[in-house]
Amino acid sequence: DTGVSQDPRHKITKRGQNVTFRCDPISEHNRLYWYRQTLGQGPEFLTYFQNEAQLEKSRLLSDRFSAERPKGSFSTLEIQRTEQGDSAMYLCASSPQRAFYEQYFGPGTRLTVT
Amino acid sequence: RKEVEQDPGPFNVPEGATVAFNCTYSNSASQSFFWYRQDCRKEPKLLMSVYSSGNEDGRFTAQLNRASQYISLLIRDSKLSDSATYLCVVNIGGNQFYFGTGTSLTVIP
Repeated sequence: DTGVSQDPRHKITKRGQNVTFRCDPISEHNRLYWYRQTLGQGPEFLTYFQNEAQLEKSRLLSDRFSAERPKGSFSTLEIQRTEQGDSAMYLCASSPQRAFYEQYFGPGTRLTVT
Repeated sequence: RKEVEQDPGPFNVPEGATVAFNCTYSNSASQSFFWYRQDCRKEPKLLMSVYSSGNEDGRFTAQLNRASQYISLLIRDSKLSDSATYLCVVNIGGNQFYFGTGTSLTVIP
């Protein structure tokens, strides 16, 4: 399968713990996005990378959130000192240079903070 | 005010029916528009882009009305497999895409 992959698919953590998620985009895609989706809502933009450069961050991304994309390949999203409000589906998407609007989403990581 | 607003539905229609969804956007500088489809517990998938002149892909027709700042999606001859949530997406320029809350469609046999 050459689609976008995310790991882990599910994560349960206790409030105050740190968590890290990984996204592997489609190999030839240079653009990578992170979104958060809660029940009954559409995905909310968190951040965007073009190659290894993080070019945009949403105001939703508090200081507890950090994302990286070393070498312009896979990306990680870390949440420090998790809060119950962080419980959501975290989606990663990638798109090719020639058609940046064609976002291909991964299956997501479902985070539950207890 | 939200960037993108959609009627969440649900829309329950019989097979073969025609159904239309509307979506409004608040920023007149919005540049690109899309419809995505999301099946239950699955990731969103691009259904179609929306062009100013309107565009059609089989049973699906998308239209854009810039003056009134709304986008529509028409599905003709509904199939059971069309049951999903349809997400309206707007790009204001740059790389931020704003998703609506989605409209739920159930096609009934």
